[in-house]
Amino acid sequence: AQKVTQAQTEISVVEKEDVTLDCVYETRDTTYYLFWYKQPPSGELVFLIRRNSFDEQNEISGRYSWNFQKSTSSFNFTITASQVVDSAVYFCALSEGTGANNLFFGTGTRLTVIP
Amino acid sequence: EPEVTQTPSHQVTQMGQEVILRCVPISNHLYFYWYRQILGQKVEFLVSFYNNEISEKSEIFDDQFSVERPDGSNFTLKIRSTKLEDSAMYFCASIVGTNTGELFFGEGSRLTVL
Repeated sequence: AQKVTQAQTEISVVEKEDVTLDCVYETRDTTYYLFWYKQPPSGELVFLIRRNSFDEQNEISGRYSWNFQKSTSSFNFTITASQVVDSAVYFCALSEGTGANNLFFGTGTRLTVIP
Repeated sequence: EPEVTQTPSHQVTQMGQEVILRCVPISNHLYFYWYRQILGQKVEFLVSFYNNEISEKSEIFDDQFSVERPDGSNFTLKIRSTKLEDSAMYFCASIVGTNTGELFFGEGSRLTVL
């Protein structure tokens, strides 16, 4: 059965600090996709990244970076030099199979960036 | 930028009433989804829809729920007889294909059942 664990329920950092949000997943499938979504206070879900199970390269996009390690079933998300606008709930999600988009979400990590 | 639009943004209804939530997916997208998020909890998959039929549904999506694509643009979620526990944010999502692109979510419809 699939499972996504975001052990950090809430994190607070001071602006300009780096912060890493952890995500550990479980799946029996060899083909799967991992996602991160941001949910700001306004409530919408903002897509950040999609990564398939065959692509273990780390990715950097501006201040955001992702570390995918199949050996530990983790897909961690780091924000460098955090800003107040980064304050949101961040969800990690998993979908199994080839291209399936029935996402299974983790419980989310609420990040608060203090000015 | 193309977007998924949902109406209404907020609906308040009495228990036992029928509710229809509407979504307009992105025009060239072929796969459509409904998710729900009970306040303060995680987002949960309800149903996926392709080629005018349900392709997968979760155990949450019981007989009280139905989906329809009545025309070429709208995608609706109907709850026949609402219960208190149906109070949640309902998100519609669409994607052009299962292997490509981003799963775009709408801004959500908040349903409050009294």
